[in-house]
Amino acid sequence: NAGVTQTPKFQVLKTGQSMTLQCAQDMNHEYMSWYRQDPGMGLRLIHYSVGAGITDQGEVPNGYNVSRSTTEDFPLRLLSAAPSQTSVYFCASSKVGATPSTDTQYFGPGTRLTVL
Amino acid sequence: GEDVEQSLFLSVREGDSSVINCTYTDSSSTYLYWYKQEPGAGLQLLTYIFSNMDMKQDQRLTVLLNKKDKHLSLRIADTQTGDSAIYFCAVTRGSSNTGKLIFGQGTTLQVKP
Repeated sequence: NAGVTQTPKFQVLKTGQSMTLQCAQDMNHEYMSWYRQDPGMGLRLIHYSVGAGITDQGEVPNGYNVSRSTTEDFPLRLLSAAPSQTSVYFCASSKVGATPSTDTQYFGPGTRLTVL
Repeated sequence: GEDVEQSLFLSVREGDSSVINCTYTDSSSTYLYWYKQEPGAGLQLLTYIFSNMDMKQDQRLTVLLNKKDKHLSLRIADTQTGDSAIYFCAVTRGSSNTGKLIFGQGTTLQVKP
């Protein structure tokens, strides 16, 4: 299994540009989520999905859109990039099961985004 | 609202024990986790503890939970230079374990040879 993969690893955008961060997992996990990591602030949940066709907002959803057309993929779209969206973005997935040992989240390697 | 707090930095000498502390506010959190992040990498689950446990030991790692004080700690015995990383405490939002985690700011552990 490749686990959770993210592309690209690095990206530089100009203010106002749009782009999509890709996330895919091959573990047949129902749950997928996007976090952003900023210095001294830990990880904050942007959007999440509990299955194909179902998405919901996390703590910091403004400026981001998501969709979940398949179990495997969960792209994150920045509609009009702003310097405040400069961050490291992590995608995570987990299986929603009956015991905690099966519910641990697996994280991708991250995408480092800079918005000028 | 719900919050998780960690100190930002800890420095120890190789061979010493490291203790990383975390406090949280949501008393209904059922599962509490420790993640490790090495430079340039994603987060890796180290260990977790159920809220009905006081202690969990896993090789060099010991997790202590004081539910009354809402305090979680991670002890690393015989700390090695390879343990240098950022350590995140995370708790579930309430009793759900469907992935909605609240993360602390992360503690950077520096291990000096």
